[in-house]
Parts: sequence; C-alpha cells; structure tokens
Amino acid sequence: DAKTTQPPSMDCAEGRAANLPCNHSTISGNEYVYWYRQIHSQGPQYIIHGLKNNETNEMASLIITEDRKSSTLILPHATLRDTAVYYCIVRVRVGDKIIFGKGTRLHILP
Amino acid sequence: NAGVMQNPRHLVRRRGQEARLRCSPMKGHSHVYWYRQLPEEGLKFMVYLQKENIIDESGMPKERFSAEFPKEGPSILRIQQVVRGDSAAYFCASSPVVWGDSSNQPQHFGDGTRLSIL
Repeated sequence: DAKTTQPPSMDCAEGRAANLPCNHSTISGNEYVYWYRQIHSQGPQYIIHGLKNNETNEMASLIITEDRKSSTLILPHATLRDTAVYYCIVRVRVGDKIIFGKGTRLHILP
Repeated sequence: NAGVMQNPRHLVRRRGQEARLRCSPMKGHSHVYWYRQLPEEGLKFMVYLQKENIIDESGMPKERFSAEFPKEGPSILRIQQVVRGDSAAYFCASSPVVWGDSSNQPQHFGDGTRLSIL
C-alpha cells in the first residue's frame, strides 16, 4: 500500500497557484518525498523531491512540514496544461520500487 | 539528452501470441524498472533490473512474463501467450548508478507501450 494520503480531486482556476496536499505521517527519517504527475496517456513525469528542506525548481515548489508528516506541492501559476493526476510518494533508495497511490486529479478551470 | 525511449508505442496482438516491449534507458542510467497500468487503474511495479541482473521481480506475474536487461541493448519485457487481461499500458523507468546517497535520484519514465489484445 502507498504510504501517502492525498485528496482524490481538486480544482484550481487558471493563473492561480495550485496547492496540492499530501499526508505521510509514517515517513521514516531517511525517506524522501517525491512528486510525479501523469498527464493523460503519457508516462509519469518527475516534478520535484525533498528530504526535509523546502525545495523549488522551474516547475514547482515543495513545502515539507517541520515534523515531515505532510507536504504541499505548489504550482505557482497553473495553466490548462497542468491538468493531470499528481502523485505524492515516499521512498528510500534508488532501487526502491515506486508504490503509486491513487493520487490527486487536478482540474484547471479556464 | 534523450529521455527514456519505449517502443513500440502501440502493440496489437491476438490471444496466444507473444508480445515484446523494449525500453532504452536514459544515457548513463543502468537501473531499469517496469510498471503496468491497467485501464482506469494506478501504476503497479513489476520488475527492477540492472545490467544482466534481475534485482526485484516481486511484481511480476508468476507465469508468461519475463524481463531482461542485457549488457548491450535495450531492456525487454516479454509476455508469452497473451490473454485479454494483459491489455494495459506498460511503462519503463530508469535511474542512474549513484554511490552514496542513492535515494536522491528520481526515476524517469518513458511514454509507455499500449498493448491491446484482440
């Protein structure tokens, strides 16, 4: 079973920030938080990952709470092309298989 | 750099035939993973390979499915005597060899092979 909990769906207006929450209350000290998304009919796309510090790249920002039991993925200016299923994952080693949960289906509204 | 390349993108087979799916990892990557996504379902891990070695095949069906990653050439997922229930999207991912903090390396996915069984 996935070690994360996400809302099944969310809506966000185009141009606004999309904030996607994830609970991972059983995360271990050496487990990273990863985010992927899957746009319809494509392969999962890596977005961002972090251990305990907040991270930012050209796609998104990742905010991890101090106790590491939850995190939020932020897409700063959502566009229609950000419509996808977003997966929050915790994993330890490069050889770890990814256990995908059901993710959050994000709808960007024009 | 080219991403993970999978071919064919679409594959149609009749029941009882064999299906071969190919995956070329990203340059410099020597870890390959195969996942399956059944219609309207999530992705499920199948197998993890390094060059010439199967490391974890805990997600592979016990019969008819096999995978290899030879020293030269792409990784191959082979399904013998296909049945209708094998219809799915099959995704390959790769990641690099990293010494030290290997957990800090994401897997990168290809766009999959969509297998349809008639």
